[in-house]
Amino acid sequence: AQSVTQLDSQVPVFEEAPVELRCNYSSSVSVYLFWYVQYPNQGLQLLLKYLSGSTLVKGINGFEAEFNKSQTSFHLRKPSVHISDTAEYFCAVSVQTGANNLFFGTGTRLTVIP
Amino acid sequence: NAGVMQNPRHLVRRRGQEARLRCSPMKGHSHVYWYRQLPEEGLKFMVYLQKENIIDESGMPKERFSAEFPKEGPSILRIQQVVRGDSAAYFCASSPPLAGGFPQYFGPGTRLTVT
Repeated sequence: AQSVTQLDSQVPVFEEAPVELRCNYSSSVSVYLFWYVQYPNQGLQLLLKYLSGSTLVKGINGFEAEFNKSQTSFHLRKPSVHISDTAEYFCAVSVQTGANNLFFGTGTRLTVIP
Repeated sequence: NAGVMQNPRHLVRRRGQEARLRCSPMKGHSHVYWYRQLPEEGLKFMVYLQKENIIDESGMPKERFSAEFPKEGPSILRIQQVVRGDSAAYFCASSPPLAGGFPQYFGPGTRLTVT
């Protein structure tokens, strides 16, 4: 079975500071990895995805993530955050074969402080 | 290209009533997924459908919940005899038929409140 752990439920950070949101996963088979962002009372928007290839993945809004297979991690980073980045961020995984459903972490609420 | 559409956006039902949630996938997408988000939690997979077929319903509660994706029209998630614990946000996602079903694109969700 697959599981996703987002260790930090809340991350406050000052505007223009860098941020890292942590994600670790557990799986006995190869996985695909995703980060989604959810703004208040809205649906989920895909930030970036890792399906194969380069382990450093660049997404929208200046975010990037690095897949580390040995540490089973897929941490999300941004060098300089804006007020508009305040939102809930979800890490998700899916197995590469078989079921297509996504397994989500419990989310990290990023609050950017002016 | 319109995104995934869900309606209604908000739905209030009394205990014992039925709730019907609709999802129209993105154009060209033939795979639909339903997820439920309880307050302060992440999304939990419920069911995966293709046109006229349920592929994986391992996340669906055994009773009162059903889903369909007919040949024509939107996918529907139906909850019979709703209870307070059904109050949640229900999200639909769709994906194209190729590329292994990824990535999944999400709709804005339906927020169900059971009073």
